[in-house]
Amino acid sequence: AQSVSQHNHHVILSEAASLELGCNYSYGGTVNLFWYVQYPGQHLQLLLKYFSGDPLVKGIKGFEAEFIKSKFSFNLRKPSVQWSDTAEYFCAVNARNTDKLIFGTGTRLQVFP
Amino acid sequence: DGGITQSPKYLFRKEGQNVTLSCEQNLNHDAMYWYRQDPGQGLRLIYYSQIVNDFQKGDIAEGYSVSREKKESFPLTVTSAQKNPTAFYLCASAPGRGRNTEAFFGQGTRLTVV
Repeated sequence: AQSVSQHNHHVILSEAASLELGCNYSYGGTVNLFWYVQYPGQHLQLLLKYFSGDPLVKGIKGFEAEFIKSKFSFNLRKPSVQWSDTAEYFCAVNARNTDKLIFGTGTRLQVFP
Repeated sequence: DGGITQSPKYLFRKEGQNVTLSCEQNLNHDAMYWYRQDPGQGLRLIYYSQIVNDFQKGDIAEGYSVSREKKESFPLTVTSAQKNPTAFYLCASAPGRGRNTEAFFGQGTRLTVV
């Protein structure tokens, strides 16, 4: 069965610290991978996506993610976080042959000035 | 403008009543989805549809029903069998059929059952 795990439930950082949020999935077939962000009081926005090709993908606001196929992982990174990055981050996996799209439980990031 | 419209934004119902949440898209997308968002549990998939007149159960389909009679519309009915229906419900659509693009989300409906 298709599943997504985000192991960091709540992360607290100071501004300028580096960020890495873990995402692991289980699915035997071909997948598309996503990170979405939900800022306080706002709706889901796409941060970045991976379909194929270069496993290191860059998104908006300085975020990037690396797809490691052997580890079934798609971790999100940012070298230096800002207070405005305070939000909830969701990893999502879409199975291409079924169109089933599922999300992880989310990671709440708090950045303090 | 193209997009996904969910209505209403807020909905109140008495316990034991069925309620239907609307989701309409004009993006010509084949795939549509319903999720439930609860604090600390992320987005959980209720139902999804790859194409008109077809839909599949997600991970938490019990107590919910859907229909997909038109490409543009994917209404969700929360039945009285759903034990804990108070939640934020999100609808999404995507081109589907394995095409490489992301899903687009509506603004959500917050359902409160009293």
